Amino acid sequence: AQSVSQHNHHVILSEAASLELGCNYSYGGTVNLFWYVQYPGQHLQLLLKYFSGDPLVKGIKGFEAEFIKSKFSFNLRKPSVQWSDTAEYFCAIRGGGADGLTFGKGTHLIIQP
Amino acid sequence: DVKVTQSSRYLVKRTGEKVFLECVQDMDHENMFWYRQDPGLGLRLIYFSYDVKMKEKGDIPEGYSVSREKKERFSLILESASTNQTSMYLCASQERGRFGYTFGSGTRLTVV
Repeated sequence: AQSVSQHNHHVILSEAASLELGCNYSYGGTVNLFWYVQYPGQHLQLLLKYFSGDPLVKGIKGFEAEFIKSKFSFNLRKPSVQWSDTAEYFCAIRGGGADGLTFGKGTHLIIQP
Repeated sequence: DVKVTQSSRYLVKRTGEKVFLECVQDMDHENMFWYRQDPGLGLRLIYFSYDVKMKEKGDIPEGYSVSREKKERFSLILESASTNQTSMYLCASQERGRFGYTFGSGTRLTVV
């Protein structure tokens, strides 16, 4: 069975602060990794994804994530957050031959102006 | 762009009622999914479907059933709604062999 752990349920930062949201997964085989974002009142959107190749992936809106296989981690980063980044962020994995994604519990990010 | 449309944004139902949540996608995707989203619990998979008339249980299928009579439509059914089924329900669509989902806007169901 596969699982995803997001370390922080709530994060509060000031504008221009740097962001790192932790994500660890449990699965023994090859995985695909995703970060989704849900802005208030909106549907879930894909931020970025990792399938193979360069472990540092860049997504929309200045976000990036680094896949560290030895640590089973896929942390999300942004050098300087904006008030508009206030949202809920979900890490997800797809392991093996399954089409379905397994999601973490989410991190609620609040950016204070 | 793929569109996944959930018929209702908000629903209020009484305990014991039979509830139908509808989801329609317009891009001929084979795979469709129903999740529920609860604070602190993230998204949990209820059921998914690989094709018409095919369905598979997810992680929390109890109290739910699904129907997929047409490729574009995937319905979630609460046979007898209970208060612990108060939640946000999200439908997602996926092209087979591709990896990303497209989500609908969600249906916030309150069972009173």
